[in-house]
Amino acid sequence: EAGVTQFPSHSVIEKGQTVTLRCDPISGHDNLYWYRRVMGKEIKFLLHFVKESKQDESGMPNNRFLAERTGGTYSTLKVQPAELEDSGVYFCASSYRGNTEAFFGQGTRLTVV
Amino acid sequence: GQNIDQPTEMTATEGAIVQINCTYQTSGFNGLFWYQQHAGEAPTFLSYNVLDGLEEKGRFSSFLSRSKGYSYLLLKELQMKDSASYLCAVRDPFRGATNKLIFGTGTLLAVQP
Repeated sequence: EAGVTQFPSHSVIEKGQTVTLRCDPISGHDNLYWYRRVMGKEIKFLLHFVKESKQDESGMPNNRFLAERTGGTYSTLKVQPAELEDSGVYFCASSYRGNTEAFFGQGTRLTVV
Repeated sequence: GQNIDQPTEMTATEGAIVQINCTYQTSGFNGLFWYQQHAGEAPTFLSYNVLDGLEEKGRFSSFLSRSKGYSYLLLKELQMKDSASYLCAVRDPFRGATNKLIFGTGTLLAVQP
């Protein structure tokens, strides 16, 4: 069974540019989560999808971040325009139900220069 | 607010036992997780505690005391491959049965020969 996969694994962009991160959850997992780890800090929650609906987006930093999950399968997280402080590792996780084990992807390391 | 504390780094010897502590201060409690993360890889689930006591799973055990806001992860018969970051996380107490997790900064464990 394929795990949670994220693309790309690394991205280096200039300040002001746009970047789109993609997450493919485990097949059949309705719950999808985005997290972020900024250098030296803890992993922090960004938002939670149940199928295609945003269940909780309380962790999204600001309106430069847009997450979508059209069709309830894969999800994208777009940062537009990117700022230096957006650098970090973005993790995606999925679970079958809200309270069953969450499986994480390997993350996308975003560097904004 | 919610706060998770764990040591930043620990060193132990191959074959030995190591205990990684985690204390949490949250407005409620809805479960505590331990994850293992090797550099550049996905965090992987190790254990889940929601009731007081010890949960044993092979070489790894996790303990919880809700009254003290305290947990530990015990690793026995340490192997070199156990060198990794160990993440303590609690389920957001206000979000019920979801995998919206509040993470500590992680404990980087170095196992030496």
